[in-house]
Amino acid sequence: ETGVTQTPRHLVMGMTNKKSLKCEQHLGHNAMYWYKQSAKKPLELMFVYSLEERVENNSVPSRFSPECPNSSHLFLHLHTLQPEDSALYLCASSRDRFYEQYFGPGTRLTVT
Amino acid sequence: SQQGEEDPQALSIQEGENATMNCSYKTSINNLQWYRQNSGRGLVHLILIRSNEREKHSGRLRVTLDTSKKSSSLLITASRAADTASYFCATDAGNNDMRFGAGTRLTVKP
Repeated sequence: ETGVTQTPRHLVMGMTNKKSLKCEQHLGHNAMYWYKQSAKKPLELMFVYSLEERVENNSVPSRFSPECPNSSHLFLHLHTLQPEDSALYLCASSRDRFYEQYFGPGTRLTVT
Repeated sequence: SQQGEEDPQALSIQEGENATMNCSYKTSINNLQWYRQNSGRGLVHLILIRSNEREKHSGRLRVTLDTSKKSSSLLITASRAADTASYFCATDAGNNDMRFGAGTRLTVKP
């Protein structure tokens, strides 16, 4: 248990669906992150939030929309995804940016 | 964009042997971190080494950093079957967030 939880753990969705991934951290951290992990590819940083403000968006398609309502919660809203978006989506948090990160267990997403 | 690159991509050893994984990077860094990931799970932080440090130990783990060569190594001594996992290095360049490599897949055979 790292203190970072993600729900759901598995998600299958069609290309026309809208769904959301949820991340919650119980560590009192100020920074939260979304990563995408595809098979045999490096971990891709998608979004960074620091003190609830988005500080980095790595050219992520607009079909991925993050939301950080408070420092403990982070969402990733998904709509009209493509099959190549199937991957493990990992959430992480850290005390502040540039400190070691604590990862959640991930959401395994399959787009059909 | 990727920063750290691990080498080898895959490593298979017998229980009790030592495992060494390497990481190379391209730009100056503030610190370098090693993480472990069991199949399909989240990453677990192992060690952080700062740019002014050359070596750090944590239990059976030993990490070295050579900033002149822009490289780091992770040594796991007296490996166990439970050490089977993927190991990633991540670099913090200070002006952006951490960049991970593609990882080394370690298999420790009982």
